[in-house]
Amino acid sequence: AQKVTQAQTEISVVEKEDVTLDCVYETRDTTYYLFWYKQPPSGELVFLIRRNSFDEQNEISGRYSWNFQKSTSSFNFTITASQVVDSAVYFCALSDVFSGGYNKLIFGAGTRLAVHP
Amino acid sequence: DGGITQSPKYLFRKEGQNVTLSCEQNLNHDAMYWYRQDPGQGLRLIYYSQIVNDFQKGDIAEGYSVSREKKESFPLTVTSAQKNPTAFYLCASSPGTGDTYEQYFGPGTRLTVT
Repeated sequence: AQKVTQAQTEISVVEKEDVTLDCVYETRDTTYYLFWYKQPPSGELVFLIRRNSFDEQNEISGRYSWNFQKSTSSFNFTITASQVVDSAVYFCALSDVFSGGYNKLIFGAGTRLAVHP
Repeated sequence: DGGITQSPKYLFRKEGQNVTLSCEQNLNHDAMYWYRQDPGQGLRLIYYSQIVNDFQKGDIAEGYSVSREKKESFPLTVTSAQKNPTAFYLCASSPGTGDTYEQYFGPGTRLTVT
């Protein structure tokens, strides 16, 4: 069955610390996509990254980096030098394709990150 | 600005009443979705629509209904049959088939039923 596990329910750090959010997934598919979304207190989900299952290169975008390891079915997210504005709930998601090709996202339970000054 | 709008931000209803949540997108996306979010949980799919006049049940469709009469609109009705309607509801859209699987989300509607 398709499943996404975010084992860390809440993480609390002090500003400028590095923090890694874990994501482990299960899928029967050979081709799939993985995503990370950020949900700030306002509630709207903000897209951060999409990764194809065939592309295992790590990606860096400013203070954000992602480590995709197919061998361990993990897609971890690291924030370097965290800031208060990074405080949010972060969701990892896995694509599941319906018949007809339209996609469904399977979400993990989310990790609440609190960055303190 | 292109995006997804949901209204209202907060909605209060008495138990036993049906309530309709609005979702509009101007991204020209074919597919639209409704998700429910409960505290401490991830999002769960209620309904999705691939094209106008077509929609399918998601994982938790019981007690909900939708319509898709226009490409840009996908309203969700929470009926009195929904046993635990209090939740945060998020609407999303995506371009549809092909390599683009990213979903864009609206700001959400927080529904409280007492």
